[in-house]
Amino acid sequence: DAGITQSPRHKVTETGTPVTLRCHQTENHRYMYWYRQDPGHGLRLIHYSYGVKDTDKGEVSDGYSVSRSKTEDFLLTLESATSSQTSVYFCAIRVDVVTEAFFGQGTRLTVV
Amino acid sequence: SQQGEEDPQALSIQEGENATMNCSYKTSINNLQWYRQNSGRGLVHLILIRSNEREKHSGRLRVTLDTSKKSSSLLITASRAADTASYFCAHSISSGSARQLTFGSGTQLTVLP
Repeated sequence: DAGITQSPRHKVTETGTPVTLRCHQTENHRYMYWYRQDPGHGLRLIHYSYGVKDTDKGEVSDGYSVSRSKTEDFLLTLESATSSQTSVYFCAIRVDVVTEAFFGQGTRLTVV
Repeated sequence: SQQGEEDPQALSIQEGENATMNCSYKTSINNLQWYRQNSGRGLVHLILIRSNEREKHSGRLRVTLDTSKKSSSLLITASRAADTASYFCAHSISSGSARQLTFGSGTQLTVLP
């Protein structure tokens, strides 16, 4: 497996609370991505990063923010969790825009 | 939405048969990639085909790409029960937001022993 670690792997939180998911890589890849996976929607891109402090929005970025202060860490924050953000979240990394991506094992988030 | 479409959404076949999955996308692309996801796991890259390629093979996998129709297909030959998984196509576009990697909605393949 590529050196990608997502934490936590499972989390249950209450509506309105802040939540931060962490993606850590040991590969020194430039690009990092956060996706959410929901039944019937496949994977949808939330935010991505193309370098330290360089991030951009994806298709479903509302309600989410990200930060990348070090090459190896990409944090996804839900400022005020809602039930619609219950999902499985995947982090991915890749070397550049024409190569394949490597995925973490996912974080299952439940907002009650 | 830039998200691609895949069909069928679900496919059930007998072991030993071939499985074909199709993917369509909406923009000009750099490459198209196929991934596999076992239940409860992350995605694993299977094969990448560049926009200037028409066909590529890897073991029992055969991928075709038709850029004029903006479509691709993944053929798994002589399927095995262990091939049961969800399969996704993904593409990087050739301009603008080239940094994004956009996935289709996936095909759930079930191979019956």
